[in-house]
Amino acid sequence: NAGVTQTPKFRILKIGQSMTLQCTQDMNHNYMYWYRQDPGMGLKLIYYSVGAGITDKGEVPNGYNVSRSTTEDFPLRLELAAPSQTSVYFCASRLSTDTQYFGPGTRLTVL
Amino acid sequence: GEDVEQSLFLSVREGDSSVINCTYTDSSSTYLYWYKQEPGAGLQLLTYIFSNMDMKQDQRLTVLLNKKDKHLSLRIADTQTGDSAIYFCAEKSGSSNTGKLIFGQGTTLQVKP
Repeated sequence: NAGVTQTPKFRILKIGQSMTLQCTQDMNHNYMYWYRQDPGMGLKLIYYSVGAGITDKGEVPNGYNVSRSTTEDFPLRLELAAPSQTSVYFCASRLSTDTQYFGPGTRLTVL
Repeated sequence: GEDVEQSLFLSVREGDSSVINCTYTDSSSTYLYWYKQEPGAGLQLLTYIFSNMDMKQDQRLTVLLNKKDKHLSLRIADTQTGDSAIYFCAEKSGSSNTGKLIFGQGTTLQVKP
């Protein structure tokens, strides 16, 4: 298994641009999560999904959207990028046990 | 609301023991976790403890849980330079069935040779 994969690894956006951060897991996990990690801070939950077709907001959802059309994929969409969205984004997944498995992260800079 | 707090920095000498501390506020926490993040990498689960346990040992790692004081610690015995990383404490609320985790801000462990 590749586990949780994320693309791209790095990206620089201009203010107002849009992009999609991709996340895929091949472990057939029901639950998937998107977190952001700001410098010197812990992870904050943006959105999560308990299964295909079901998504819900986390702590910091503003400025983001998600979809979950398949079990494997959980893309995160930024429509109008702002400097406040400069961060490292982590995707995670879990099955019915409580262990979350994390991807390697996407480092995003908005200038 | 739910909150998890950690000290930000710890420096130890190679071969010493490291103790990283964490406090949390949610009394309904069911699982508490320790994750390790190496530079430029994602989070790696180190160990976890269920809330009805006081202690869990896994090789060089010992987790202690004081549920009364809502205090969690991670002890790394014989700390090595490869243990240098950021360590995150996280808790899973018992009131949530979605598996959401609340993370502390991370403790940077520096191991000096």
